[in-house]
Amino acid sequence: QKEVEQNSGPLSVPEGAIASLNCTYSDRGSQSFFWYRQYSGKSPELIMFIYSNGDKEDGRFTAQLNKASQYVSLLIRDSQPSDSATYLCAVNEEGDMRFGAGTRLTVKP
Amino acid sequence: EAQVTQNPRYLITVTGKKLTVTCSQNMNHEYMSWYRQDPGLGLRQIYYSMNVEVTDKGDVPEGYKVSRKEKRNFPLILESPSPNQTSLYFCASRPGAGTEAFFGQGTRLTVV
Repeated sequence: QKEVEQNSGPLSVPEGAIASLNCTYSDRGSQSFFWYRQYSGKSPELIMFIYSNGDKEDGRFTAQLNKASQYVSLLIRDSQPSDSATYLCAVNEEGDMRFGAGTRLTVKP
Repeated sequence: EAQVTQNPRYLITVTGKKLTVTCSQNMNHEYMSWYRQDPGLGLRQIYYSMNVEVTDKGDVPEGYKVSRKEKRNFPLILESPSPNQTSLYFCASRPGAGTEAFFGQGTRLTVV
């Protein structure tokens, strides 16, 4: 059974801090990796995607990928209360996309 | 506006009464999928389709049917709903393999 695993949290950080979210995956053939943010009762929305090993930065967000370790992470710098949500890691597999269970992040003012 | 549209948004039904949740996308995407989301379990794939008339099972297909007769539509059919199918359902579409998924607004289904 192919898996995408995330720490369910909740992860709590103070406003202005760095939030670090982690994800591991089991399918070595996966080539595309995504981070989605989901507010309660709403649809997931894409934050970032990453295809190559290393770091990819977009504003306050940095995605990191290590295919050898089958590990992908998301860093949120200068965390804001509006970042409080569940973050879903998604991995492309043959056929379609597999999601982790999500990490719930709370940013406290 | 590019979007994925699901209907209905909310549905309460009784055990055994057949229902269909519609999904339509206007982006000419090849891939479409259905997911269900339950507390603590994340998004689990029910069925997916890589093209017209091509569908395949995801991780939790039991009790569901789909069809892809047209590129834009991918309805989810529950022939005989049961209470364990009470969940939040999302339809998603993607341009192709390895690309991001665009989600519909979700359908909250309650089976009593």
